[in-house]
Amino acid sequence: QQQVKQSPQSLIVQKGGISIINCAYENTAFDYFPWYQQFPGKGPALLIAIRPDVSEKKEGRFTISFNKSAKQFSLHIMDSQPGDSATYFCAASNFNKFYFGSGTKLNVKP
Amino acid sequence: KAGVTQTPRYLIKTRGQQVTLSCSPISGHRSVSWYQQTPGQGLQFLFEYFSETQRNKGNFPGRFSGRQFSNSRSEMNVSTLELGDSALYLCASSLAGGSNSPLHFGNGTRLTVT
Repeated sequence: QQQVKQSPQSLIVQKGGISIINCAYENTAFDYFPWYQQFPGKGPALLIAIRPDVSEKKEGRFTISFNKSAKQFSLHIMDSQPGDSATYFCAASNFNKFYFGSGTKLNVKP
Repeated sequence: KAGVTQTPRYLIKTRGQQVTLSCSPISGHRSVSWYQQTPGQGLQFLFEYFSETQRNKGNFPGRFSGRQFSNSRSEMNVSTLELGDSALYLCASSLAGGSNSPLHFGNGTRLTVT
């Protein structure tokens, strides 16, 4: 059973546009929700994270929106740039066990 | 501060062999986790070690094992390799594990089983 469901699988956005990636979870015991960015040949790198007592967190062009009642959270990338082209993973954690979404391959067209 | 280091970067093995992968965590990090990444299954949790003890385990067969040394360095072993074990194996370290300690990943070991 997949603990975290991520969509879409792939996303094409024009430079300057907004990229939106969505994730949903079932386990209400999750208490930490990070997003990771992975470039080819590299390991995932922590991008931004949120806890369930906060509805939104913004860091630069990256924003997480969190809806606890719907058990959903999303990543918004404002003013998307070609350098943002990568695979993005959402994750949910309970204590020391992390569950990852299946990933979204983002392609930002110049 | 040096990041998570995984060696080797690439490995080619044949079915039935065994393989050992190595991971050096960020200095001061005591928790090391291992993940298998494949195009079809995404990132799958293998196990987590903290202070030389396996604290958590994913749903992988017993052919997959690991250990952690007193300096927090960790090794992962896969015995009797199968074609389906071909994957990118990622190691991640964190200060103490848990939700207050984000994971920091290495660049992985790409294992190919022929």
